[in-house]
Amino acid sequence: NAGVTQTPKFRVLKTGQSMTLLCAQDMNHEYMYWYRQDPGMGLRLIHYSVGEGTTAKGEVPDGYNVSRLKKQNFLLGLESAAPSQTSVYFCASSDRRMNTEAFFGQGTRLTVV
Amino acid sequence: AQSVAQPEDQVNVAEGNPLTVKCTYSVSGNPYLFWYVQYPNRGLQFLLKYITGDNLVKGSYGFEAEFNKSQTSFHLKKPSALVSDSALYFCAVRPPYSGAGSYQLTFGKGTKLSVIP
Repeated sequence: NAGVTQTPKFRVLKTGQSMTLLCAQDMNHEYMYWYRQDPGMGLRLIHYSVGEGTTAKGEVPDGYNVSRLKKQNFLLGLESAAPSQTSVYFCASSDRRMNTEAFFGQGTRLTVV
Repeated sequence: AQSVAQPEDQVNVAEGNPLTVKCTYSVSGNPYLFWYVQYPNRGLQFLLKYITGDNLVKGSYGFEAEFNKSQTSFHLKKPSALVSDSALYFCAVRPPYSGAGSYQLTFGKGTKLSVIP
């Protein structure tokens, strides 16, 4: 099993450009999450999804949009990138049981210049 | 809303000595608690979790954690540290189900563990 796969692994954007980060999981998990990791801030939840066709805002949703058209995929979009969105982005997925752990992808390092 | 505090940004310990990485939480009801480890340029890996039952939980790589409800703590421990344990450690909490927000897994800011040879 590949687990959780994120694409791309690295990206440099210019301010104002747009891009989409793709997360794919092969574990048939119901729940999927997008986090950003910044030094000294830990992981902060951007958006999450509890099932195909559903999404919800997390702690820091501004400037991001998400879609979950297929159960195995969770897309994170930046419509107009800003330097403040320079970060490492992690996707995670988990089973619908509340007591199960989440599985993480390898991360996407995004730099906005 | 739930929250997690990891009071130490960095913990240094000599190889072979016991280690403790501290975590306290705030959540309504009985929480689900997790520890994850992150090695450089890698994603987070699950170490262990507390769901219910025995307050001492054993996990991967010889790590264990002690749940203390009265102190709302879930400290990570290992009897004898290895240099290879050097990494970033995250504590996380998920509340018992009470609606849509229960799905959120909330992380602490992380503690960098350095094991000195």
